[in-house]
Formats: sequence, C-alpha cells, structure tokens
Amino acid sequence: NAGVTQTPKFQVLKTGQSMTLQCAQDMNHNSMYWYRQDPGMGLRLIYYSASEGTTDKGEVPNGYNVSRLNKREFSLRLESAAPSQTSVYFCASSPQGVGEQYFGPGTRLTVT
Amino acid sequence: AQSVSQHNHHVILSEAASLELGCNYSYGGTVNLFWYVQYPGQHLQLLLKYFSGDPLVKGIKGFEAEFIKSKFSFNLRKPSVQWSDTAEYFCAVYGNAGNMLTFGGGTRLMVKP
Repeated sequence: NAGVTQTPKFQVLKTGQSMTLQCAQDMNHNSMYWYRQDPGMGLRLIYYSASEGTTDKGEVPNGYNVSRLNKREFSLRLESAAPSQTSVYFCASSPQGVGEQYFGPGTRLTVT
Repeated sequence: AQSVSQHNHHVILSEAASLELGCNYSYGGTVNLFWYVQYPGQHLQLLLKYFSGDPLVKGIKGFEAEFIKSKFSFNLRKPSVQWSDTAEYFCAVYGNAGNMLTFGGGTRLMVKP
C-alpha cells in the first residue's frame, strides 16, 4: 500500500496563477483533509471531506477550493495564487470517527 | 470549540537527557489524543495515541504519554533522548463533536550529540 500520495512535491507559481494539488489514498478511508503548515503556526485545516460527496470548510478556507472526486481522491485548487499562500500543504486521510490521520509527504508551494 | 496548547515551542537537550513535552487541551467531552512527530523534511507520523483504558500509553521509539483527565493534559515523555529524536512534535485532540483533529502549535526539539 502506498498510503497517502500527493503531487506535485514542489511547485513555484507567480501571483495570479492557478493550480491544483492532487491527493490520493489507498486505505479505503472515508475522511480526507487538506492542511497548510507554516513556521510557528502548526497545522491549520483548510478543507475536509468527511465522506465521499461532502466537503466542509476548515479554519483557513479563503482562496482555496476542493473536490472530492471519489473515495480515493481529494484535490485542492488555488484559483488565483497569492504570496500569502506560500506554504507546505499536507493531505491526510482517516477512518471515520476516530481521529487518527495518516499524512502524505507534502507539497512545498512558493508563490512569487 | 476544542483547542490544544503546547507550552514549549523550542526545547534543546543533550543526548541521554530526559524529555517531557507538555500538552493541554480544552474540550468538555470524550476525547481521543495523539502525538505526531515530524522529522526534518518529512511528513507527520503517528507516535502514539490514546482512545481509552490505561492512561499511560506507550508508543514507538521509547516514547510514552500520560493522559490526566483532571488536568486536561497529555504530556509526552522519554527517559533518554537520542540525537535522532530531533524533530517537531505535535499534540492533537479529536473530540467526537465534529470530524476534525485539532493540533497544537508544535514543539521543536533539538538533541545535541
């Protein structure tokens, strides 16, 4: 099992450009999550999907959209990137109702 | 809403020293508690977890944590740290009102050889 995979690993964007971060899990988990990690701020939840077909905002959703394509895949889209979105983005998945999450390797995004 | 506080932001220890990292949470209901570790340049990995039962839980690499319900605490301990324990450590709480895991701000541990 690959666990949680993310693509790309690194990305540099110019302000105003758009991009989609991809995430997939092969553990048959119901719930999936997108976080951003910034120095000194820990992990902040952007969006999550409790189950296939549902998505909800987390703590910092502004400037992002998500799609739960199917049970395996959960993508994060930046429509018009801003320098404030420079961060490391982690995707995670979880069996529903227990809280334990499994994380992907992360995407390091720089917006210039 | 639930919240998690990690009071030590940076800790520097010498090898063989003992470690205790504090974690306090605020949530009135039943909680599941976690410690995650992030080694430099890597993703978060589960170190240990508490769901119920014995409040002293043991995790990987000699780490343990004690859940003290009356103090809303879940402190992480290790009797003797190694250089390879250099990492950032995150405490996290899952309360069953809402399908979300709340993380503390993290503690960056540096172990000097």
